[in-house]
Amino acid sequence: AQTVTQSQPEMSVQEAETVTLSCTYDTSENNYYLFWYKQPPSRQMILVIRQEAYKQQNATENRFSVNFQKAAKSFSLKISDSQLGDTAMYFCAFYFGNEKLTFGTGTRLTIIP
Amino acid sequence: GAVVSQHPSWVICKSGTSVKIECRSLDFQATTMFWYRQFPKQSLMLMATSNEGSKATYEQGVEKDKFLINHASLTLSTLTVTSAHPEDSSFYICSAKVQITQYFGPGTRLTVL
Repeated sequence: AQTVTQSQPEMSVQEAETVTLSCTYDTSENNYYLFWYKQPPSRQMILVIRQEAYKQQNATENRFSVNFQKAAKSFSLKISDSQLGDTAMYFCAFYFGNEKLTFGTGTRLTIIP
Repeated sequence: GAVVSQHPSWVICKSGTSVKIECRSLDFQATTMFWYRQFPKQSLMLMATSNEGSKATYEQGVEKDKFLINHASLTLSTLTVTSAHPEDSSFYICSAKVQITQYFGPGTRLTVL
């Protein structure tokens, strides 16, 4: 079974700074997908970014980018120019085949004004 | 695109009554939907996978007779909590899959008195 580990339960950063959230996973599969979701205080889960394992290029979405290290099974999320609206729980998730989405335990990120 | 709605957003009921929660995909058809439960400050816990036109697949430990799932159309799945008790109080979230990506509804807070 796949596992996802987020080793940082909480983080905080000053507004406009850059922050990196870590995620590692364990799998024996080769072709899979990785996701970052954010859950703000409203509790609506929002897709932040998606990475296909077969792609070597790191995914980016505006201020959000990932550092995908397949051999190391690492999938960190970098948030640049952080904004107050980035305050949320961030969940890393793994998906393979037609199986269920496996979530990490989450990182609570607070942006300090 | 890929908008998922849930209704109601919150509900309070008396112990022993049943509550139905609806999950709709608004701008796409979803053959597969998922129901999650989330406890405070925790990650999402998958309860069941709902497939249009067939029986739901429940995760281990989830009572099928208590959490009834119906996926009667390509845009609607319902979760009925039967004979609700205070321990069923929780935040319930649905999602719908578009290819390999899951998009989430805004969640339903259930409080059983």
